Amino acid sequence: AQSVTQLDSHVSVSEGTPVLLRCNYSSSYSPSLFWYVQHPNKGLQLLLKYTSAATLVKGINGFEAEFKKSETSFHLTKPSAHMSDAAEYFCVVSDRGQAGTALIFGKGTTLSVSS
Amino acid sequence: NAGVTQTPKFQVLKTGQSMTLQCAQDMNHNSMYWYRQDPGMGLRLIYYSASEGTTDKGEVPNGYNVSRLNKREFSLRLESAAPSQTSVYFCASGWQGAETQYFGPGTRLLVL
Repeated sequence: AQSVTQLDSHVSVSEGTPVLLRCNYSSSYSPSLFWYVQHPNKGLQLLLKYTSAATLVKGINGFEAEFKKSETSFHLTKPSAHMSDAAEYFCVVSDRGQAGTALIFGKGTTLSVSS
Repeated sequence: NAGVTQTPKFQVLKTGQSMTLQCAQDMNHNSMYWYRQDPGMGLRLIYYSASEGTTDKGEVPNGYNVSRLNKREFSLRLESAAPSQTSVYFCASGWQGAETQYFGPGTRLLVL
């Protein structure tokens, strides 16, 4: 079965410092992996996705993630945090079943950014 | 192009009442999904519809029913609401076989 584990429930950074949100996955086949962001009281927005092309994936708003098969990791990074990055972030793996494809969400990491 | 829309935005129910959450998409997607989001739990799949005319259970289907009314609309029904169903409900849609899903703004449901 597919699963993801987000290693930190809460990460705090200062504005202008790097961001690292950690995610490990478990998959019985080559996975598709995603990062979604949810700003307070908003819906979910796709940040980036990995689908077995380049292992370094660039997303919106300066975020990127690197797929490391040997470490079963898909960590999200950004060189310099901005106040507007404060949100909840979800690491997601796709689960291809007979009836269709579902998304399996991690429990989320809340990113706080201080000035 | 509105994307995925959900109604209502917020609802308060008493235990035992019933209600239907509505979802519509205008992106001509084949597949539609219902999730619930609870604090510290991420999103969990309730039901999904891979294509018009089909529905399947997800991780947490108990207490819910769904109807794929047509290609655009996918409704979620609570027949007898319970406090444990207090949650934020998200509808999503996507192309069948593709993995990217597009989410609606959510419905906040409080069951007293």
